[in-house]
Amino acid sequence: DTEVTQTPKHLVMGMTNKKSLKCEQHMGHRAMYWYKQKAKKPPELMFVYSYEKLSINESVPSRFSPECPNSSLLNLHLHALQPEDSALYLCASSQDRGEGAKNIQYFGAGTRLSVL
Amino acid sequence: GENVEQHPSTLSVQEGDSAVIKCTYSDSASNYFPWYKQELGKRPQLIIDIRSNVGEKKDQRIAVTLNKTAKHFSLHITETQPEDSAVYFCAASPRVRGSTLGRLYFGRGTQLTVWP
Repeated sequence: DTEVTQTPKHLVMGMTNKKSLKCEQHMGHRAMYWYKQKAKKPPELMFVYSYEKLSINESVPSRFSPECPNSSLLNLHLHALQPEDSALYLCASSQDRGEGAKNIQYFGAGTRLSVL
Repeated sequence: GENVEQHPSTLSVQEGDSAVIKCTYSDSASNYFPWYKQELGKRPQLIIDIRSNVGEKKDQRIAVTLNKTAKHFSLHITETQPEDSAVYFCAASPRVRGSTLGRLYFGRGTQLTVWP
């Protein structure tokens, strides 16, 4: 099973709202990733968690706040977003960040976010 | 950091023809090269990958070749079908420890259209 599940599938929010995106995997993976993807562009890395610790923050604005409550779950908390933050937000996981088969990343279906 | 260039940005072929997408990378420390297929509105799906200890890998109609000396790798799809129509992303991942370990550096993508 290489399933990464993301909820919700779609989200519309106003600029003053607070919302959260959720990502779950049950493959025993210990590295989890948040990406932002605009139409017809490659995924852009936002955050990486490794063994539940934040390893990489790609200078993402503080209105995006990641959280990794346990090894299976990854959240992205959203607050005071801007219209330009509208995009597809993808979660991915890999066995860990090591070499070999360990760093094969499996993506979830994403949350399509619209900020009004 | 790693820089991945991908060409062409769009590719149209007739059903049954072959399609070739080429990528170059800059960091000689990269040793893992996956290819992802993303259909409209869907998640990126890993279709094939290659590691730097091999020069070619095949999986049915799909093959990937790697030239480490020239720092380029290519995706070959034979006997194309309309369902191969999608955006294809190449990526490179370095083996160097630290913040770059396990990261995927994506090419800009190729929109492949297969006409029936």
